[in-house]
Amino acid sequence: DAKTTQPTSMDCAEGRAANLPCNHSTISGNEYVYWYRQIHSQGPQYIIHGLKNNETNEMASLIITEDRKSSTLILPHATLRDTAVYYCIVRVVETSGSRLTFGEGTQLTVNP
Amino acid sequence: DGGITQSPKYLFRKEGQNVTLSCEQNLNHDAMYWYRQDPGQGLRLIYYSQIVNDFQKGDIAEGYSVSREKKESFPLTVTSAQKNPTAFYLCASTDRSYGYTFGSGTRLTVV
Repeated sequence: DAKTTQPTSMDCAEGRAANLPCNHSTISGNEYVYWYRQIHSQGPQYIIHGLKNNETNEMASLIITEDRKSSTLILPHATLRDTAVYYCIVRVVETSGSRLTFGEGTQLTVNP
Repeated sequence: DGGITQSPKYLFRKEGQNVTLSCEQNLNHDAMYWYRQDPGQGLRLIYYSQIVNDFQKGDIAEGYSVSREKKESFPLTVTSAQKNPTAFYLCASTDRSYGYTFGSGTRLTVV
């Protein structure tokens, strides 16, 4: 399984962009990068995913490097409600289906 | 609204007892998953099921059992063989064309 490496914690000022990095240097060609976030004591929430190209939705943007060994999740205008643990996950595809393997994530704290 | 319902939200168990955590989804998803989360840590996969009447062990299946008799339901039983069952348990589902949808979790405490 491709493993991911994320900083343990980050801080961001409210209204500024939050850029969360993730390294996945052993990712294989058919593995996607997924991002989820988890607010304390709730279930994780899907944010975005991508394979090679950069992706954008109403929540965030995902920038994947050309060699696919790292990616960055961008929250363009962080709010206090964006304070959460953010997980970068590489999707494992097996013959019986697919599953997500979670690391420990990055605790993002948005400060007023 | 479509989603995943986990019940109960809080559960207390005496040592030596089996308990069953409920997970129901009305998203028509084929695949369902159970994860365990300990304080300050990420999620670890217990069991998953891709179709009805079929399921596979995840990374920490010992002391747990599951069934998948209906597409909508994937209950998890925490048996007395699980030595440290106190944790936050999360159920998820996916149709594999999109992201995973998670329930709100069950917090199990052994008393």
